[in-house]
Formats: sequence, structure tokens, C-alpha cells
Amino acid sequence: EAGVAQSPRYKIIEKRQSVAFWCNPISGHATLYWYQQILGQGPKLLIQFQNNGVVDDSQLPKDRFSAERLKGVDSTLKIQPAKLEDSAVYLCASSLGRGIGNTIYFGEGSWLTVV
Amino acid sequence: GQQVMQIPQYQHVQEGEDFTTYCNSSTTLSNIQWYKQRPGGHPVFLIQLVKSGEVKKQKRLTFQFGEAKKNSSLHITATQTTDVGTYFCAGLPSGGTYKYIFGTGTRLKVLA
Repeated sequence: EAGVAQSPRYKIIEKRQSVAFWCNPISGHATLYWYQQILGQGPKLLIQFQNNGVVDDSQLPKDRFSAERLKGVDSTLKIQPAKLEDSAVYLCASSLGRGIGNTIYFGEGSWLTVV
Repeated sequence: GQQVMQIPQYQHVQEGEDFTTYCNSSTTLSNIQWYKQRPGGHPVFLIQLVKSGEVKKQKRLTFQFGEAKKNSSLHITATQTTDVGTYFCAGLPSGGTYKYIFGTGTRLKVLA
């Protein structure tokens, strides 16, 4: 079974530039997550989709971050304009459904450095 | 807001020694999951606990869910160098939310 695919793996941009990350979840997984993991910290949920609808984006900095999951499969996360504090690993994850009993499968992550 | 704290933040052990990390939630949890993240890698699911007081074992790893469903622990017996990594708990707060809250993590180093 193929895992969660993410690209690009690494990105270095200057502050105020924009960047986009792409994610392809495990086939059949209805729930898709974007997490931000700053070095030395646990993953922080940015946004959670159920099929193509947003179920939680309470921690997404909406003035600069946006995400979409058109057609309920692939997803993109965009940052515009980037700030130095956005340097982190952006982890995409998916699960069959929501709640108890659903294992969250993570992708390899997209490492962002803002200089 | 809801928080999940883990202690210790770091632990260095000699190979063969035991290791325990503790996870404490500010609210009651429906269930708790544990993940392992190797250096430079991504979190990988280890186990899920659902019932109050539940204990599960995976070879040298023992996981426990507290009676009040607000805390959990992971114990590794006789650590090996392959156990190196950061261990995260992720709790699902009771009350209908579907958002897992990840703990702060415990980074384990095993000295050969």
C-alpha cells in the first residue's frame, strides 16, 4: 500500500516569498490533515479535511496560510507571504475516518526554511 | 485551551536500561495514541488505548492508560539503540471533537 506522498521534500525561500506544498493521501482515506512541526516540538494541527470539507482550521493563520482539497483527494497548503517563524516541517497525514480507532498515517514531510 | 504535556522532555539512558515517558492531559480523553519519530523522520503509529486502566504490550514496550483517562505512560524495558527517537502521545478529547492533540514529546537517546 502506498503511503502519504508529499512534495517538495525541501524548500528554502526568502521571507515575504510564497510557497506551496502538495499532498496525496493514502487511497480511500477520507480525512486529511496538515500539521506544522517546529524543531523540538510536537506536531500542531493546522487544518483538517473530511473529504473536501474543512472540519477544523482553528489554528491556521488565515492571513497568510491557505489550504484546499479539491475533489476530496489531493491537497495543497500555501503560505503567502512567508515569515521567518514559518520555518518548520509541514506534515501531511491521512486516516480512513475521524475519531476513535483511526490511525493517522504521516507523510515524510516538507521541510521549509525561511531566510 | 486543551493541552497534552509529556515528561521528561529528554532522556539519555545506557543501552539495557529501562525508560518511561509520561503523558498528561488537561482534559479527559476518549482515547490516546502513541507515535514514534526517528531523527529526521516522520511520526509512525505505535498503538492506541481506549479503555480506562488499559494496558497493552508490544515486545519490550508497555503502554498504560490511566483510570481517569487523563494520563498515559510508555515504558521500554532494556532499551536498545534502535529505540532512539522522539515518542509522542496524541489524545482525543472527550466530547465529540475529532481533533487529536499531540503531546510535547520525549526525546530518547540510547548510549551504547
